[in-house]
Amino acid sequence: SQTIHQWPATLVQPVGSPLSLECTVEGTSNPNLYWYRQAAGRGLQLLFYSVGIGQISSEVPQNLSASRPQDRQFILSSKKLLLSDSGFYLCAWSVIRFRTSGNNEQFFGPGTRLTVL
Amino acid sequence: AQSVTQLGSHVSVSEGALVLLRCNYSSSVPPYLFWYVQYPNQGLQLLLKYTTGATLVKGINGFEAEFKKSETSFHLTKPSAHMSDAAEYFCAVSGGGGSNYKLTFGKGTLLTVNP
Repeated sequence: SQTIHQWPATLVQPVGSPLSLECTVEGTSNPNLYWYRQAAGRGLQLLFYSVGIGQISSEVPQNLSASRPQDRQFILSSKKLLLSDSGFYLCAWSVIRFRTSGNNEQFFGPGTRLTVL
Repeated sequence: AQSVTQLGSHVSVSEGALVLLRCNYSSSVPPYLFWYVQYPNQGLQLLLKYTTGATLVKGINGFEAEFKKSETSFHLTKPSAHMSDAAEYFCAVSGGGGSNYKLTFGKGTLLTVNP
């Protein structure tokens, strides 16, 4: 069966410090990978998605970047954190294969709570 | 472009009462529809999904939803609320075209269950 891991589970960082959040998926090959953020009272915001190694699509301009160094590894980074980067970060995966297929069921990780002080 | 509207950001029911969470969508292609549940400080868990076929979909924990194309709705119901149902619920839609790799989420509905 497939599993998805995120770490760390919680993180408290000072403003201006770097960030690295990691997500790994087990039990599937060539998944699509996603990073979302939930800020308080603001729903789910898609930050990045990737359909293959080295392929990153950015949804919103911001202080963050993403990388996919391996097939089942997705990393969210920042060089200098802002207060507004605080939130709950969720990684997800899906296996949608063809552009004409719309069944994009996504499976979510447990999340990382980031507090920037 | 696709969009999802969840009516009511906060719904409060008594234990044992009917749960009804509303979701309306817009999509230019046949939609795939999903309901997810999120408990505090946890990831999202799939409750149920509509792909094709039967329009009444049954999910986990006694929830069900009915796809009504004419009303562009996919409301979530449960006949009798339990305290453990207290959580945030998200409706989502996906489909073909340029947004094929994405899910479009509603803003969520927080369900409170009162004893």
